[in-house]
Amino acid sequence: GIQVEQSPPDLILQEGANSTLRCNFSDSVNNLQWFHQNPWGQLINLFYIPSGTKQNGRLSATTVATERYSLLYISSSQTTDSGVYFCAGSWGSRLTFGEGTQLTVNP
Amino acid sequence: NAGVTQTPKFRVLKTGQSMTLLCAQDMNHEYMYWYRQDPGMGLRLIHYSVGEGTTAKGEVPDGYNVSRLKKQNFLLGLESAAPSQTSVYFCASSIPGQVLNQPQHFGDGTRLSIL
Repeated sequence: GIQVEQSPPDLILQEGANSTLRCNFSDSVNNLQWFHQNPWGQLINLFYIPSGTKQNGRLSATTVATERYSLLYISSSQTTDSGVYFCAGSWGSRLTFGEGTQLTVNP
Repeated sequence: NAGVTQTPKFRVLKTGQSMTLLCAQDMNHEYMYWYRQDPGMGLRLIHYSVGEGTTAKGEVPDGYNVSRLKKQNFLLGLESAAPSQTSVYFCASSIPGQVLNQPQHFGDGTRLSIL
């Protein structure tokens, strides 16, 4: 089946550091989304980015659909950035999630 | 705007009991979805709906039924709960477009334990 792989699985940062999270997918996507799940379990849609680059404050994302990967950049990380970051891609009628990157930002 | 609201937030059931999870959205979205999230994993699609009166199976539909009698509501039913259905359930909605090709808005989840 379709595979979505995220790396790294875990990441620990000091506040102020920058980071890059990666999402590889095994087939062409119609839709690629990034989500943040905060420590309380809430899922927040960060980016809808089937291709190209988008920026929202300290976060930006780039998807290179032809090479089947997407990157999420977090700059000047804050403790509130902690949580799990998921990417998800859709093929036809199915949205498939990766297993996530657990990010911990220490003060 | 409340967005996507799920009720209840927590529930404990005994094996074999039935229950219904309710999802309500006030964004006039056509599409609605039910997912489950198991520990250490991403979300898996159970069922979805592209409009009032329509439903379709997702990746893990067995043991669940759904109904979309009103545009704003999407119900997920467990007829005979099993311990394997212990999970966190998320509802989501999105605007029309090719199925699953629009940003999705999520509820806060329902934590369900089956003993």
